[in-house]
Amino acid sequence: EVQVLESGGGLVQPGGSLRLSCVASGSTFSDYVMSWVRQAPGKGLEWVSVTGGRGGGGTYYADSVKGRFTISRDISKNTVFLQMNSLRADDTAVYYCAHNSGYSWKYYFDYWGQGTLVTVSS
Amino acid sequence: EIVLTQSPGTLSLSPGEGATLSCRASQSVSSNNLAWYQQKPGQAPRLLIYGASSRATGIPDRFSGSGSGTDFTLTISRLEPEDFAVYYCQQHGSPPPWTFGQGTKVEIK
Repeated sequence: EVQVLESGGGLVQPGGSLRLSCVASGSTFSDYVMSWVRQAPGKGLEWVSVTGGRGGGGTYYADSVKGRFTISRDISKNTVFLQMNSLRADDTAVYYCAHNSGYSWKYYFDYWGQGTLVTVSS
Repeated sequence: EIVLTQSPGTLSLSPGEGATLSCRASQSVSSNNLAWYQQKPGQAPRLLIYGASSRATGIPDRFSGSGSGTDFTLTISRLEPEDFAVYYCQQHGSPPPWTFGQGTKVEIK
């Protein structure tokens, strides 16, 4: 089992930036495929971004955040980051970090953090 | 991008009854790679089913998944009080973007 814990959410003004962190347990973190998924208040789930493991590294982004958000990882700290720039009101959501399982970029989300709330408002 | 449409939007049932939730894809899902999640208020989603019919670790056998191509079903054989929640499907049959359905709420009648 992989345990996941997010942090870094908060209130930010439109146009501002925020960096979310996600710590995942386990000794094979470098092999983990990790994603961010968000959920606007009262709405459904939206996949945001993914970073691949050592075997098939790579990153993908949802069109809604491409060019504004950047995903990265620090293997020494078992941590995945989501740098969010040029934030807009419609980025307001609970952001979940999740571990992916599957193969060849055909992944589902098997372990989730508790989420961190990002509110974009003036 | 594959669009997933879930029906019904809300299902009103009593404990002990069976539930059938539907998820329809706008195009065929490769290798039937469809997952189902359960989400309760204030909680993170929990994986129930992947690959259309494989139960995740620790999921009771009253939950079952079926389907292929564009039509998938989540069946809960006998609803327990803890099963009242929102359920989402997600396609994982192709590289990102991965998409979710809009959700089906199973509420107590």
